[in-house]
Amino acid sequence: ILNVEQSPQSLHVQEGDSTNFTCSFPSSNFYALHWYRWETAKSPEALFVMTLNGDEKKKGRISATLNTKEGYSYLYIKGSQPEDSATYLCAFATTDSWGKLQFGAGTQVVVTP
Amino acid sequence: DGGITQSPKYLFRKEGQNVTLSCEQNLNHDAMYWYRQDPGQGLRLIYYSQIVNDFQKGDIAEGYSVSREKKESFPLTVTSAQKNPTAFYLCASSIVRTEFNEQFFGPGTRLTVL
Repeated sequence: ILNVEQSPQSLHVQEGDSTNFTCSFPSSNFYALHWYRWETAKSPEALFVMTLNGDEKKKGRISATLNTKEGYSYLYIKGSQPEDSATYLCAFATTDSWGKLQFGAGTQVVVTP
Repeated sequence: DGGITQSPKYLFRKEGQNVTLSCEQNLNHDAMYWYRQDPGQGLRLIYYSQIVNDFQKGDIAEGYSVSREKKESFPLTVTSAQKNPTAFYLCASSIVRTEFNEQFFGPGTRLTVL
């Protein structure tokens, strides 16, 4: 079982501030990196699936970068809003994981007005 | 509306009893997955299936069983052999069983064994 680590475990952000957090994964045999947003009482929803080193994806105020050589991905939230409050999960797949995603424990983001 | 449904939302069972969690999807997805979440841990894969009548063990399959008799349905049975069954269970599906495809999740079932 591969180790996917997310940090910090939780963070509090003032409305309007920007923030970022990290997903670390083993750099060997990289295949894909997923980001999901999980709001309380809802189902996790996919934000991004990233496959190429140096890739950068954006959805509204949220963006993500990927460094497969050093094994990390950053998720950025620009101008945080209360509706951004959620747990953000990353999940990693290797070339030999054959359908399996390894999930991190998540970063819980709380945006206060 | 297309989506994944799981039932029930909350489930209580006595120790030693088998219990089956339901997962249905109308997204016409080929692949389906079962995950377990425990506090402070990431989602852990229990079983997954790419096609009807075929499924593979995930990382923590011991004490669980599944079936895939229909494309839309992937029920999970938590048997009495599962030593610590109390947890939150999530079902997911994707177009195909590849790591490039995002997974779509159901609302989950919280199982409590008394």
